[in-house]
Amino acid sequence: GIQVEQSPPDLILQEGANSTLRCNFSDSVNNLQWFHQNPWGQLINLFYIPSGTKQNGRLSATTVATERYSLLYISSSQTTDSGVYFCAYDYKLSFGAGTTVTVRA
Amino acid sequence: DGGITQSPKYLFRKEGQNVTLSCEQNLNHDAMYWYRQDPGQGLRLIYYSQIVNDFQKGDIAEGYSVSREKKESFPLTVTSAQKNPTAFYLCASSPLRYGTEAFFGQGTRLTVV
Repeated sequence: GIQVEQSPPDLILQEGANSTLRCNFSDSVNNLQWFHQNPWGQLINLFYIPSGTKQNGRLSATTVATERYSLLYISSSQTTDSGVYFCAYDYKLSFGAGTTVTVRA
Repeated sequence: DGGITQSPKYLFRKEGQNVTLSCEQNLNHDAMYWYRQDPGQGLRLIYYSQIVNDFQKGDIAEGYSVSREKKESFPLTVTSAQKNPTAFYLCASSPLRYGTEAFFGQGTRLTVV
């Protein structure tokens, strides 16, 4: 099966900092999405991004399908950005291991 | 309001008992999914369904069962055969069988004592 690597596994940011999260895939994937899981466990869909670039406020995502990776950018981070960020892919909606982000005030 | 409803939010059961977790969606989505999450871990797929009366095993289906008798409902039964059932269970749905974004319920925290 397809292997996915999310990096970094953990990230500590000072409020206002920018960061980049990455998902690398061992093969071409479809249906790529990014989710944020808040500290209460709720998963929120951030982007459906099989290719190209999308932006939503301080967040943006880029997927380069031909090179088998996707990036999530967080700009001007806020404490509410804390949580775990997952990439997911394929029709079965398989998940990466996640990046735990902690934003400090 | 449209969305995915999981109930209950917290559930306690004695070891050896079967327990059913509810997942209902009013989004008219075709596909539904069940995941298990252990503390500090990612999401592992238990079962998924792309159409009524059909479902497929995920990566960790042993000890679990599902049904999909209605498009809106995808209940998960945690059976006594599941050796370590205590976990956080998440249900999701997506509009089409392939290619569109998924949405999650708020989860059920199951504790078996």
